[in-house]
Amino acid sequence: AQSVAQPEDQVNVAEGNPLTVKCTYSVSGNPYLFWYVQYPNRGLQFLLKYITGDNLVKGSYGFEAEFNKSQTSFHLKKPSALVSDSALYFCAVRDINDYKLSFGAGTTVTVRA
Amino acid sequence: DAMVIQNPRYQVTQFGKPVTLSCSQTLNHNVMYWYQQKSSQAPKLLFHYYDKDFNNEADTPDNFQSRRPNTSFCFLDIRSPGLGDAAMYLCATSRGGQPTDTQYFGPGTRLTVL
Repeated sequence: AQSVAQPEDQVNVAEGNPLTVKCTYSVSGNPYLFWYVQYPNRGLQFLLKYITGDNLVKGSYGFEAEFNKSQTSFHLKKPSALVSDSALYFCAVRDINDYKLSFGAGTTVTVRA
Repeated sequence: DAMVIQNPRYQVTQFGKPVTLSCSQTLNHNVMYWYQQKSSQAPKLLFHYYDKDFNNEADTPDNFQSRRPNTSFCFLDIRSPGLGDAAMYLCATSRGGQPTDTQYFGPGTRLTVL
């Protein structure tokens, strides 16, 4: 079985400061990891994914994520947060044996001006 | 731009009155998914189509059905909506069924049941 945990319900940061949203996963095989962002009353927007290769993945809107196999983590990062980054962020995982995406519970990010 | 489109964006229906939500895609993807999302929770997969092959999740209520008349369109039918069916319904597509394939989501339809 596969699962994802997002240990923080909320993350609050000041604009211009680094932003980190945490994600840990559990899969039986190799993980395929995804980050999505959701703005109010909108669908999920794909940010980035890890399939294989370089542990540091760069994505949309200046976001990046670091895959750490030993810690089974895939934390989302942005060096300098913007107020417009305030949204709900979902981490998701698939393994090779499952067609379904398993989502974490989501983390609400608030960036204050 | 290639995209996933959902209509309507907001739907109000009455308790027990059938409702249909629509999804179309210009990505020419083989797989289309329907998710239910309540109150900023994680999306819950209801079912998906791989081409014309329908795959229902075990815990999807019988009240929910889907049709995919062609590659571009997929519909979600709720036969007798209850108050508990009020939610955001998200359509998504992926090129194939590989675990590496990215799912792309539409903007969602927010369903209100009166």
